[in-house]
Amino acid sequence: AQTVTQSQPEMSVQEAETVTLSCTYDTSESDYYLFWYKQPPSRQMILVIRQEAYKQQNATENRFSVNFQKAAKSFSLKISDSQLGDAAMYFCAYRRGNNDMRFGAGTRLTVKP
Amino acid sequence: EAGVAQSPRYKIIEKRQSVAFWCNPISGHATLYWYQQILGQGPKLLIQFQNNGVVDDSQLPKDRFSAERLKGVDSTLKIQPAKLEDSAVYLCASSLIPGQGVETQYFGPGTRLLVL
Repeated sequence: AQTVTQSQPEMSVQEAETVTLSCTYDTSESDYYLFWYKQPPSRQMILVIRQEAYKQQNATENRFSVNFQKAAKSFSLKISDSQLGDAAMYFCAYRRGNNDMRFGAGTRLTVKP
Repeated sequence: EAGVAQSPRYKIIEKRQSVAFWCNPISGHATLYWYQQILGQGPKLLIQFQNNGVVDDSQLPKDRFSAERLKGVDSTLKIQPAKLEDSAVYLCASSLIPGQGVETQYFGPGTRLLVL
């Protein structure tokens, strides 16, 4: 079964600095998708960034980028120039084809002014 | 474009009572998902619909949970009877293209259920 592990329950970053959230996953498949979702307090979950496993190039969305290491089954999220609005729970997720999306337990990110 | 709507936002019931949640997906989205998010955990898929058919309900506790999607649009999730361990946030999500892995899922605000 595919599992997703986020080893950092909580992380903290100073405003304007950079933080990296870790995620590892377990799969025997070669073709799949990886996602980072953001869940602000009392607000809905939104997609931050996604990565197709067949693509070698790491995905980037403005201040958000990933470090995808397929062989190591690692998928970390880097947030640059952190802003107060980045404070949220961040979930790493894995999906293969039409199968259900598997989420990690989440990392709570605090941004200090 | 309107997002995924869910109601109620909060519900408190006693164990063994029944409860129902409602979801209205984004217009035109063929696929609808119900997730259960227990405090301190990531969401877990309960059921996935494509139009009004069930694609995956392997993790739905069918002895107490049921769901339907009328006419391929709105959906309801019911729990009968509720147990203490059902206390969680129930999230509804929808996506445009049926079940494609890369397709973005749009989430609603969730319904927070507390079972006493």
